[in-house]
Amino acid sequence: GAGVSQSPSNKVTEKGKDVELRCDPISGHTALYWYRQSLGQGLEFLIYFQGNSAPDKSGLPSDRFSAERTGGSVSTLTIQRTQQEDSAVYLCASSSDRAYGYTFGSGTRLTVV
Amino acid sequence: GDSVTQMEGPVTLSEEAFLTINCTYTATGYPSLFWYVQYPGEGLQLLLKATKADDKGSNKGFEATYRKETTSFHLEKGSVQVSDSAVYFCALSVRGGSRLTFGEGTQLTVNP
Repeated sequence: GAGVSQSPSNKVTEKGKDVELRCDPISGHTALYWYRQSLGQGLEFLIYFQGNSAPDKSGLPSDRFSAERTGGSVSTLTIQRTQQEDSAVYLCASSSDRAYGYTFGSGTRLTVV
Repeated sequence: GDSVTQMEGPVTLSEEAFLTINCTYTATGYPSLFWYVQYPGEGLQLLLKATKADDKGSNKGFEATYRKETTSFHLEKGSVQVSDSAVYFCALSVRGGSRLTFGEGTQLTVNP
């Protein structure tokens, strides 16, 4: 597609429920990233996929968080047993060249009540 | 580890004022440097970039020069507009690395 697409744009969920956030990167981009932006804070790296290599999961905050990338394209970030501190905007980005910046999606605003 | 430090906000200016947002970095390698902008309710957009020392990135009237000797990449604009009101993020990516490292962001408000 023309840009990075994320869905849903907004998600309200009850504490303890599982949620899935979807990212559809730019066609042909081999690298895909997930970041988290909490209110009043900067951007926190979560996970990185590059081609067929094993993902860099070093930023995932707990084992409740996981992500998959199917067929080198669409990615799903799953948060199990959501907590209120998981409330944030989750941003996805894709890139074809790490040295020249990434294209971000508009994000999914997650609210855990 | 790699890190980016931005001047604290919020920054409030009048239209047509001169803007500087300071950014300094620490990196283990030879990084590429970026400024991203986030307008209200939108995702991050790449504003400008520089990939080697003394390079100047520019876009929409904004400029930033990669200064290796001072490890800085300050963002400047000679005359800001109300439409420039946004959050600005400085970031780096080390060649061969796998992520962007962001600063905390600086909120800019431009009043008419």
